[in-house]
Parts: sequence; C-alpha cells; structure tokens
Amino acid sequence: AQTVTQSQPEMSVQEAETVTLSCTYDTSESNYYLFWYKQPPSRQMILVIRQEAYKQQNATENRFSVNFQKAAKSFSLKISDSQLGDTAMYFCAFMRPGAGSYQLTFGKGTKLSVIP
Amino acid sequence: DTAVSQTPKYLVTQMGNDKSIKCEQNLGHDTMYWYKQDSKKFLKIMFSYNNKELIINETVPNRFSPKSPDKAHLNLHINSLELGDSAVYFCASSHQGLNNQPQHFGDGTRLSIL
Repeated sequence: AQTVTQSQPEMSVQEAETVTLSCTYDTSESNYYLFWYKQPPSRQMILVIRQEAYKQQNATENRFSVNFQKAAKSFSLKISDSQLGDTAMYFCAFMRPGAGSYQLTFGKGTKLSVIP
Repeated sequence: DTAVSQTPKYLVTQMGNDKSIKCEQNLGHDTMYWYKQDSKKFLKIMFSYNNKELIINETVPNRFSPKSPDKAHLNLHINSLELGDSAVYFCASSHQGLNNQPQHFGDGTRLSIL
C-alpha cells in the first residue's frame, strides 16, 4: 500500500516570501501521479499542481512549483511571493492508475499561515 | 455551473438516526468517490464507483451504503449514526483512463452527531 508523509504539520511565511512544503511517499510502482491540493478555511479542495511520475521536468503553475525527486520519492511544493490568500491546509496526494479506480492517498496535511 | 455538488452542506442530527448525503457531477465523469475527513483533517477514501459499479470499499462499516442510480450521481446513506461518524464527507469525480486528470471535489458536507 502506498503511504504519503508530510512532516511539517504547520508552517508560516511572511507575505511576499517563499516557502517550501515537503512531501515524501512510499511506493513500488513506477507509473503514478502526484498532486498538491489546497484547502482554505472555506473547506473547498482546490487542485494546486500535478506531476506525472514519467515526466522528469518539474511542474509549475504560476507562483507554484514542485521539486520532484523520483529516486528519493520526494515531491515538495514551493510557493513564491506568498499571498494572504495562500493561507490554507495543503495536502500532498498520490494516485496509482490501474484497473479499477484511481483513488487518492493523502498525506496528513500542512497548515500554512501567511503573515502580513 | 457547479461541477460537483453535494447536499446538504451541513447536517446536524441525533445519534441513531439514518441520513443521506447526495452528490451530483455534471462533468461527464465515469468514476465517483466518497472521502471522509476526520477532525484532524485527515482525508481517506471510503468508496469508489465506476459506471455505477462499486470498485472500492475501504473497510467502511456496513452502516454506510453508497448508491449510484446513474453515472452522474453517487449518494451516501448512513444508518444508525454514531458519534464517531462526525466528520466532513467529500464527494469527488474523475474520468477513468485520463490518468493525468485530477479529481474534482465537491464542497463537502459537515456531519455533526449530537
């Protein structure tokens, strides 16, 4: 079974600064997908960024980028120019495609606070 | 325009009651999911349906019964509610086969058992 570990329960960052959230995972699969979801106080689950394991290039979405280290099974999220609206819980998630469903396995989350 | 909609958003009820949460998606997806988020914010898969067929049942008590009348709906029925059922329940959907397509989540239903 796959496991996802987020070792930072809480983090804080000054507005406009950069912060990195860590995520490691354990799997014996070679083909899989990784995601970062954001959950603001409004409770919505919002996709931030995704990475296919077969792609060596790190995914980027505007101020959000990942550092994907497949051999180390690491998938960290970097948020540049942090904004107050980035305050949220951030969940790292793993998906193994295959016969049947494509459920997500989540880490326990990192609570990020952006300080004005 | 809402892609995945859940009703109700809040549900407060007494222990022992039976309740249902409805979920509908208008994305044309063929796979739907129910996740439970506990008080510590941990999210865990409960069920997954593909084309109205149950694919995953992750050691969920049989008091929980998902029902999928068609591909666009996956409702969750809970019998004999217990205090430990208090949580936020999320419905999600995706299209199987499009592996790089992320799951779309509903806004969640906060269930509180008195």
